[in-house]
Amino acid sequence: GENVEQHPSTLSVQEGDSAVIKCTYSDSASNYFPWYKQELGKRPQLIIDIRSNVGEKKDQRIAVTLNKTAKHFSLHITETQPEDSAVYFCAASISSGIQAAGNKLTFGGGTRVLVKP
Amino acid sequence: DGGITQSPKYLFRKEGQNVTLSCEQNLNHDAMYWYRQDPGQGLRLIYYSQIVNDFQKGDIAEGYSVSREKKESFPLTVTSAQKNPTAFYLCASSTKSGTENTEAFFGQGTRLTVV
Repeated sequence: GENVEQHPSTLSVQEGDSAVIKCTYSDSASNYFPWYKQELGKRPQLIIDIRSNVGEKKDQRIAVTLNKTAKHFSLHITETQPEDSAVYFCAASISSGIQAAGNKLTFGGGTRVLVKP
Repeated sequence: DGGITQSPKYLFRKEGQNVTLSCEQNLNHDAMYWYRQDPGQGLRLIYYSQIVNDFQKGDIAEGYSVSREKKESFPLTVTSAQKNPTAFYLCASSTKSGTENTEAFFGQGTRLTVV
């Protein structure tokens, strides 16, 4: 099955600096890569996602890049703010035209980001 | 908030007891999932269901059981066979746009503690 590795496990940055989180996946058939943010005691929420037909996607201060050949994708947060402090998870899944086929997400181990004022 | 609801928020279980965690969604999503989250770790898939009356084992299904009798509901039973059940349990649901996966929405979670 799919295996997703995520690094680093913790990341401390100064407010205003950039943060980068990297993930690798094992199954070349994976084609959907979402990123989730989980604040303490709360549910994970989608912050950005990318599909395999796109190399990069941006949404304000957040960007994700995908390298299909190397099977890795990264999350970039620019101009970090204290409210960016949270645990971030990458995930991978396989879209299928078969309704009954699994489109389950396999998650990385998470990165705890701390933005210091 | 709303859309996908888990209950209870906190649950205490005595050793040897079965307990059932509730998950209900009103998003009309076909797919539902159960994940387990341990402190400092990622989310591991327990069971998932793509359609009513059908479900598949995830990566850590041993000691758990599920049912999917209704589209809106996907309860998870933690049985006495689960040796280390203390964890945070998250339910999620998703749908498809054509053949493409779409965002998975998560419930608020149930924190299960064995006492």
